[in-house]
Amino acid sequence: NAGVTQTPKFQVLKTGQSMTLQCAQDMNHEYMSWYRQDPGMGLRLIHYSVGAGITDQGEVPNGYNVSRSTTEDFPLRLLSAAPSQTSVYFCASSTTGNTIYFGEGSWLTVV
Amino acid sequence: GENVEQHPSTLSVQEGDSAVIKCTYSDSASNYFPWYKQELGKRPQLIIDIRSNVGEKKDQRIAVTLNKTAKHFSLHITETQPEDSAVYFCAASKGGGSYIPTFGRGTSLIVHP
Repeated sequence: NAGVTQTPKFQVLKTGQSMTLQCAQDMNHEYMSWYRQDPGMGLRLIHYSVGAGITDQGEVPNGYNVSRSTTEDFPLRLLSAAPSQTSVYFCASSTTGNTIYFGEGSWLTVV
Repeated sequence: GENVEQHPSTLSVQEGDSAVIKCTYSDSASNYFPWYKQELGKRPQLIIDIRSNVGEKKDQRIAVTLNKTAKHFSLHITETQPEDSAVYFCAASKGGGSYIPTFGRGTSLIVHP
């Protein structure tokens, strides 16, 4: 009963490095999304997908790319890491009008 | 797009007291309003939700009310316990093909023993 699985849980990057946060769900949900959480800012939407092959930008998309080649996977790519991208990242999945399930989170520090 | 305002940002109560967190939304087409609880270092998890065809919903010590006319909804926790201490997020979303909710900024609830 995995639900939404995110990796890695912790990562330290140097400014300018690139990396990919992996996200997979085994619930056959059509909707998947990535949020970042910063103190006092709540959960801000980075990118989302309403199905395989379809992605769209959220509130704070700059510096991030996503793709959705399968229903199960929705990786988030940081193209050139910046200290402003230090945050906690949550992947989430859901079906129409139903509960959002979050992954356990990925703590990213950019130095 | 949708805008969700949540108040207060911090709420401190004594064990046994009630706690109320309020949210307002801007898009009258929103019809689904979930509440999430996030304990320190953990992921947000759904605790209760309400749809626009219902004015109130209860689950043990937790209740949510919705006023569609005023576009606000509230979370009520009665007989608070220390384990209720967490950050609570409200959210609003529309159904159909754009089911991506907008979250409030969160309320840090502290319950003192």
